[in-house]
Amino acid sequence: EAAVTQSPRNKVAVTGGKVTLSCNQTNNHNNMYWYRQDTGHGLRLIHYSYGAGSTEKGDIPDGYKASRPSQENFSLILELATPSQTSVYFCASGVRDSNYAEQFFGPGTRLTVL
Amino acid sequence: AQKVTQTQTSISVVEKTTVTMDCVYETRDSSYFLFWYKQTASGEIVFLIRQDSYKKENATVGHYSLNFQKPKSSIGLIITATQIEDSAVYFCAMREGGGYKVVFGSGTRLLVSP
Repeated sequence: EAAVTQSPRNKVAVTGGKVTLSCNQTNNHNNMYWYRQDTGHGLRLIHYSYGAGSTEKGDIPDGYKASRPSQENFSLILELATPSQTSVYFCASGVRDSNYAEQFFGPGTRLTVL
Repeated sequence: AQKVTQTQTSISVVEKTTVTMDCVYETRDSSYFLFWYKQTASGEIVFLIRQDSYKKENATVGHYSLNFQKPKSSIGLIITATQIEDSAVYFCAMREGGGYKVVFGSGTRLLVSP
Protein backbone atom coordinates (compact mmCIF):
# COMPACT_ATOMS: atom_id res chain seq x y z
CA GLU A 1 0.00 0.00 0.00
CA ALA A 2 1.09 3.55 -0.72
CA ALA A 3 3.25 5.05 1.99
CA VAL A 4 2.83 8.68 0.90
CA THR A 5 -0.63 9.82 -0.03
CA GLN A 6 -1.93 13.20 -1.15
CA SER A 7 -5.35 14.72 -1.19
CA PRO A 8 -7.05 15.93 -3.21
CA ARG A 9 -5.57 14.44 -6.38
CA ASN A 10 -7.15 17.16 -8.50
CA LYS A 11 -8.36 20.58 -7.47
CA VAL A 12 -9.86 23.53 -9.29
CA ALA A 13 -9.80 26.76 -7.32
CA VAL A 14 -10.77 30.35 -7.97
CA THR A 15 -8.37 33.27 -7.83
CA GLY A 16 -8.25 34.69 -4.33
CA GLY A 17 -9.59 31.55 -2.72
CA LYS A 18 -7.88 29.48 -0.05
CA VAL A 19 -6.47 26.09 -1.00
CA THR A 20 -5.10 23.42 1.30
CA LEU A 21 -3.18 20.45 -0.04
CA SER A 22 -2.69 17.56 2.35
CA CYS A 23 -0.01 14.92 2.58
CA ASN A 24 0.12 11.86 4.81
CA GLN A 25 3.00 9.41 5.18
CA THR A 26 3.18 6.10 6.99
CA ASN A 27 6.95 5.73 6.62
CA ASN A 28 7.61 7.27 10.03
CA HIS A 29 10.04 9.66 8.35
CA ASN A 30 11.15 12.83 10.04
CA ASN A 31 11.56 14.88 6.88
CA MET A 32 8.76 15.96 4.59
CA TYR A 33 8.80 18.16 1.51
CA TRP A 34 6.52 20.04 -0.84
CA TYR A 35 7.55 20.57 -4.47
CA ARG A 36 5.86 21.99 -7.49
CA GLN A 37 6.53 20.74 -10.98
CA ASP A 38 6.28 22.94 -14.04
CA THR A 39 7.47 22.31 -17.55
CA GLY A 40 11.08 23.36 -17.94
CA HIS A 41 11.67 23.76 -14.20
CA GLY A 42 11.65 20.25 -12.90
CA LEU A 43 10.86 19.94 -9.20
CA ARG A 44 11.19 23.12 -7.17
CA LEU A 45 11.18 23.04 -3.39
CA ILE A 46 8.50 25.16 -1.72
CA HIS A 47 8.67 24.18 1.95
CA TYR A 48 10.11 21.37 3.98
CA SER A 49 9.99 20.09 7.53
CA TYR A 50 12.35 18.07 9.70
CA GLY A 51 9.78 17.07 12.26
CA ALA A 52 6.42 17.77 13.82
CA GLY A 53 5.99 21.47 14.51
CA SER A 54 8.77 22.57 12.16
CA THR A 55 8.51 24.20 8.76
CA GLU A 56 11.30 25.72 6.68
CA LYS A 57 11.25 27.78 3.52
CA GLY A 58 12.54 26.18 0.37
CA ASP A 59 13.55 27.94 -2.81
CA ILE A 60 10.13 29.32 -3.86
CA PRO A 61 8.08 29.87 -0.67
CA ASP A 62 6.31 33.10 -1.65
CA GLY A 63 2.55 32.71 -1.66
CA TYR A 64 2.66 29.44 0.26
CA LYS A 65 2.48 28.42 3.89
CA ALA A 66 3.13 25.00 5.37
CA SER A 67 1.97 23.21 8.47
CA ARG A 68 3.36 20.05 10.10
CA PRO A 69 1.01 19.19 12.98
CA SER A 70 2.28 15.63 13.36
CA GLN A 71 4.96 13.24 12.15
CA GLU A 72 2.53 11.85 9.55
CA ASN A 73 0.92 14.99 8.14
CA PHE A 74 2.27 17.95 6.20
CA SER A 75 -0.01 20.51 4.57
CA LEU A 76 0.59 23.18 1.96
CA ILE A 77 -1.64 26.23 2.20
CA LEU A 78 -2.35 28.82 -0.45
CA GLU A 79 -4.11 31.63 1.39
CA LEU A 80 -4.88 33.65 -1.75
CA ALA A 81 -4.54 31.43 -4.78
CA THR A 82 -3.37 32.95 -8.05
CA PRO A 83 -3.33 31.53 -11.60
CA SER A 84 0.50 31.40 -11.45
CA GLN A 85 0.13 28.71 -8.80
CA THR A 86 -1.48 26.37 -11.30
CA SER A 87 0.87 23.40 -11.23
CA VAL A 88 1.36 19.82 -10.12
CA TYR A 89 2.36 19.55 -6.47
CA PHE A 90 4.30 16.65 -5.03
CA CYS A 91 4.82 15.74 -1.42
CA ALA A 92 7.75 13.58 -0.34
CA SER A 93 9.10 12.07 2.84
CA GLY A 94 12.61 11.02 3.84
CA VAL A 95 14.94 10.32 6.71
CA ARG A 96 18.02 12.23 7.62
CA ASP A 97 20.08 9.14 8.28
CA SER A 98 22.82 8.83 5.69
CA ASN A 99 22.05 5.17 5.06
CA TYR A 100 18.54 5.96 3.94
CA ALA A 101 18.86 9.36 2.34
CA GLU A 102 16.44 9.03 -0.58
CA GLN A 103 12.95 10.47 -0.75
CA PHE A 104 9.62 8.77 -1.27
CA PHE A 105 7.07 10.68 -3.30
CA GLY A 106 3.32 10.89 -3.26
CA PRO A 107 1.28 10.63 -6.46
CA GLY A 108 0.92 14.39 -6.93
CA THR A 109 -1.94 16.89 -6.86
CA ARG A 110 -2.92 18.75 -9.99
CA LEU A 111 -4.07 22.25 -9.04
CA THR A 112 -5.75 24.61 -11.47
CA VAL A 113 -6.44 28.18 -10.37
CA LEU A 114 -8.93 29.97 -12.58
CA ALA B 1 24.01 27.54 -2.41
CA GLN B 2 23.07 24.17 -3.80
CA LYS B 3 22.43 23.91 -7.51
CA VAL B 4 21.83 21.00 -9.87
CA THR B 5 21.93 21.38 -13.64
CA GLN B 6 20.77 18.98 -16.33
CA THR B 7 21.47 20.44 -19.75
CA GLN B 8 20.02 17.62 -21.86
CA THR B 9 16.32 18.31 -22.33
CA SER B 10 15.58 15.09 -24.21
CA ILE B 11 17.38 12.04 -25.56
CA SER B 12 16.17 9.43 -28.03
CA VAL B 13 17.74 5.98 -28.30
CA VAL B 14 16.98 2.62 -29.81
CA GLU B 15 16.24 -0.15 -27.34
CA LYS B 16 19.06 -2.42 -26.15
CA THR B 17 21.60 0.39 -26.49
CA THR B 18 23.38 2.30 -23.71
CA VAL B 19 22.52 5.88 -22.82
CA THR B 20 24.22 8.40 -20.55
CA MET B 21 22.47 11.35 -18.96
CA ASP B 22 24.51 14.25 -17.64
CA CYS B 23 24.22 16.17 -14.39
CA VAL B 24 26.48 18.75 -12.78
CA TYR B 25 26.07 20.14 -9.29
CA GLU B 26 27.31 22.95 -7.11
CA THR B 27 27.86 22.77 -3.38
CA ARG B 28 30.19 24.19 -0.75
CA ASP B 29 29.74 21.18 1.47
CA SER B 30 32.39 18.45 1.53
CA SER B 31 29.76 15.82 2.31
CA TYR B 32 26.70 15.35 0.13
CA PHE B 33 24.41 12.79 -1.48
CA LEU B 34 23.54 12.60 -5.16
CA PHE B 35 20.41 10.88 -6.45
CA TRP B 36 18.68 9.94 -9.64
CA TYR B 37 14.90 9.62 -9.81
CA LYS B 38 12.63 8.44 -12.58
CA GLN B 39 9.22 9.92 -13.37
CA THR B 40 7.02 7.62 -15.41
CA ALA B 41 4.31 8.65 -17.83
CA SER B 42 1.74 8.23 -15.08
CA GLY B 43 3.54 10.88 -13.04
CA GLU B 44 4.93 8.53 -10.43
CA ILE B 45 8.38 9.51 -9.14
CA VAL B 46 10.63 6.72 -7.92
CA PHE B 47 14.15 6.63 -6.54
CA LEU B 48 16.69 4.80 -8.72
CA ILE B 49 20.20 5.10 -7.41
CA ARG B 50 22.38 7.10 -5.04
CA GLN B 51 26.02 8.14 -4.76
CA ASP B 52 27.56 9.28 -1.48
CA SER B 53 30.25 11.90 -1.97
CA TYR B 54 32.80 10.11 0.19
CA LYS B 55 32.60 6.88 -1.82
CA LYS B 56 35.02 6.51 -4.71
CA GLU B 57 33.27 3.52 -6.26
CA ASN B 58 30.51 4.25 -8.73
CA ALA B 59 27.13 3.01 -7.58
CA THR B 60 25.37 0.32 -9.59
CA VAL B 61 21.81 -0.98 -9.27
CA GLY B 62 20.52 -3.40 -11.89
CA HIS B 63 21.05 -1.84 -15.31
CA TYR B 64 21.60 1.60 -13.80
CA SER B 65 25.07 2.83 -12.94
CA LEU B 66 26.68 6.15 -12.14
CA ASN B 67 29.73 7.92 -13.45
CA PHE B 68 30.84 10.03 -10.49
CA GLN B 69 33.54 12.56 -11.36
CA LYS B 70 34.03 14.52 -8.18
CA PRO B 71 36.65 16.98 -9.51
CA LYS B 72 34.21 17.97 -12.23
CA SER B 73 31.18 18.02 -9.88
CA SER B 74 29.51 15.63 -12.27
CA ILE B 75 27.25 12.63 -11.73
CA GLY B 76 26.13 10.92 -14.92
CA LEU B 77 23.46 8.21 -15.07
CA ILE B 78 24.20 5.29 -17.38
CA ILE B 79 21.45 2.93 -18.46
CA THR B 80 22.67 -0.18 -20.24
CA ALA B 81 20.55 -2.43 -22.45
CA THR B 82 17.72 0.10 -22.52
CA GLN B 83 14.14 -1.11 -22.68
CA ILE B 84 10.98 0.54 -23.93
CA GLU B 85 9.80 0.90 -20.33
CA ASP B 86 12.86 3.03 -19.54
CA SER B 87 11.13 5.84 -21.42
CA ALA B 88 10.56 8.46 -18.74
CA VAL B 89 11.87 11.71 -17.33
CA TYR B 90 15.00 11.36 -15.21
CA PHE B 91 15.86 13.81 -12.46
CA CYS B 92 19.19 14.36 -10.77
CA ALA B 93 19.10 15.65 -7.18
CA MET B 94 21.44 16.56 -4.36
CA ARG B 95 21.29 16.83 -0.59
CA GLU B 96 24.08 18.29 1.48
CA GLY B 97 25.31 16.03 4.24
CA GLY B 98 24.19 17.96 7.26
CA GLY B 99 21.01 19.35 5.81
CA TYR B 100 17.44 18.47 5.04
CA LYS B 101 17.00 20.37 1.82
CA VAL B 102 17.01 18.45 -1.48
CA VAL B 103 17.47 20.27 -4.78
CA PHE B 104 16.49 18.81 -8.16
CA GLY B 105 17.62 19.42 -11.70
CA SER B 106 15.13 20.24 -14.45
CA GLY B 107 15.07 16.68 -15.79
CA THR B 108 15.96 14.82 -18.98
CA ARG B 109 13.27 13.09 -21.03
CA LEU B 110 14.38 9.73 -22.39
CA LEU B 111 12.54 8.09 -25.28
CA VAL B 112 13.43 4.49 -26.06
CA SER B 113 12.09 3.26 -29.37
CA PRO B 114 11.99 -0.22 -30.91
